[in-house]
Amino acid sequence: GAGVSQSPRYKVAKRGQDVALRCDPISGHVSLFWYQQALGQGPEFLTYFQNEAQLDKSGLPSDRFFAERPEGSVSTLKIQRTQQEDSAVYLCASSQGYRNTEAFFGQGTRLTVV
Amino acid sequence: QQPVQSPQAVILREGEDAVINCSSSKALYSVHWYRQKHGEAPVFLMILLKGGEQKGHDKISASFNEKKQQSSLYLTASQLSYSGTYFCIIIIQGAQKLVFGQGTRLTINP
Repeated sequence: GAGVSQSPRYKVAKRGQDVALRCDPISGHVSLFWYQQALGQGPEFLTYFQNEAQLDKSGLPSDRFFAERPEGSVSTLKIQRTQQEDSAVYLCASSQGYRNTEAFFGQGTRLTVV
Repeated sequence: QQPVQSPQAVILREGEDAVINCSSSKALYSVHWYRQKHGEAPVFLMILLKGGEQKGHDKISASFNEKKQQSSLYLTASQLSYSGTYFCIIIIQGAQKLVFGQGTRLTINP
């Protein structure tokens, strides 16, 4: 596609519900990142993939958060038993290379937990 | 590991200049600069890889100091379209992940 696509754009979940957020990176991009952006704050790193390998998951806030990229393209961020503090915009970014290339960001998924 | 950005917010009149600073306690592999407008995705401005590097386009430029721990973004003769939140994003030497600064909110008034 032309850019990084995230779906859904908006998600309202009841507390305790499981959610799955999808990221379609630019075709051929090796690196994929997930970020959590709370209102009025800068994005916080969650996890990083190089192809299908999850090389860094140090930013995942709890074991309720899980990310995968099984075929090295589409990625899914899953949040189990959502809590109110999970409410945020979840951004996905992809880049062609490893460390020295531009990262392209998706529009994000705004998750609201009620 | 998060870089420190300063100032946190700037208000300018159209045509004025601004400087945004980004510093790290550790040596960096690279610095990226992005601008994010409200409700939109961050948009790439430039990347700096080499100590002492300076680059820019139009009236936006950036520098990376020799020790590769500090970068500055320069906005000259600001335009209304420059409004938004500017983020520096760093990659620390030996690491892979992109780490955002806390952002600098720039407001340009006519």
